[in-house]
Amino acid sequence: SQKIEQNSEALNIQEGKTATLTCNYTNYSPAYLQWYRQDPGRGPVFLLLIRENEKEKRKERLKVTFDTTLKQSLFHITASQPADSATYLCALDMSNTDKLIFGTGTRLQVFP
Amino acid sequence: ETGVTQSPTHLIKTRGQQVTLRCSSQSGHNTVSWYQQALGQGPQFIFQYYREEENGRGNFPPRFSGLQFPNYSSELNVNALELDDSALYLCASSLVSHSYNSPLHFGNGTRLTVT
Repeated sequence: SQKIEQNSEALNIQEGKTATLTCNYTNYSPAYLQWYRQDPGRGPVFLLLIRENEKEKRKERLKVTFDTTLKQSLFHITASQPADSATYLCALDMSNTDKLIFGTGTRLQVFP
Repeated sequence: ETGVTQSPTHLIKTRGQQVTLRCSSQSGHNTVSWYQQALGQGPQFIFQYYREEENGRGNFPPRFSGLQFPNYSSELNVNALELDDSALYLCASSLVSHSYNSPLHFGNGTRLTVT
């Protein structure tokens, strides 16, 4: 069955540094991958989508890479700010449908 | 543009009871998906509705059921509640069912506690 792994340990970084979060998947070749941000007590908010034929996608301070050989996506936040502190979820399509399966998320803490 | 709204925000039920959770989709969206999120976990897909028909289901028992109405609002019903049903229930809407590129727009969820 499809399996998505995100680092369950919190990532603590200093303001201004680049945060890099990892999403690994097994037993599957997704057509696309999405990243979401979730704040405590709130629903996830969509950030970026990257397709299997795209290597990299950028949006302002965010960058996502997608390596289908390694079965891995990296999510980067450059010039991180305390306001970036949240849980970040990666999600893959389920067997080439529009239904998503989510990883467990990685909690990012940016301190001043 | 009105976002996804869910009600109630919090709910406490007793084991064995039944519960109905409600969701209003974002304006213009015709697909609704429901997810269950246990504490410290990622959202797990329950099912999806497209044009009032169930369009895919995750690994949840039949006591989890749903409805989508002509105005694209939706309900999630859970019968015979169990303690493990305690979770945040998220509703998400999207524009079309057959597009692989539609991001999900989530509500802020209903926190269900079963005692």
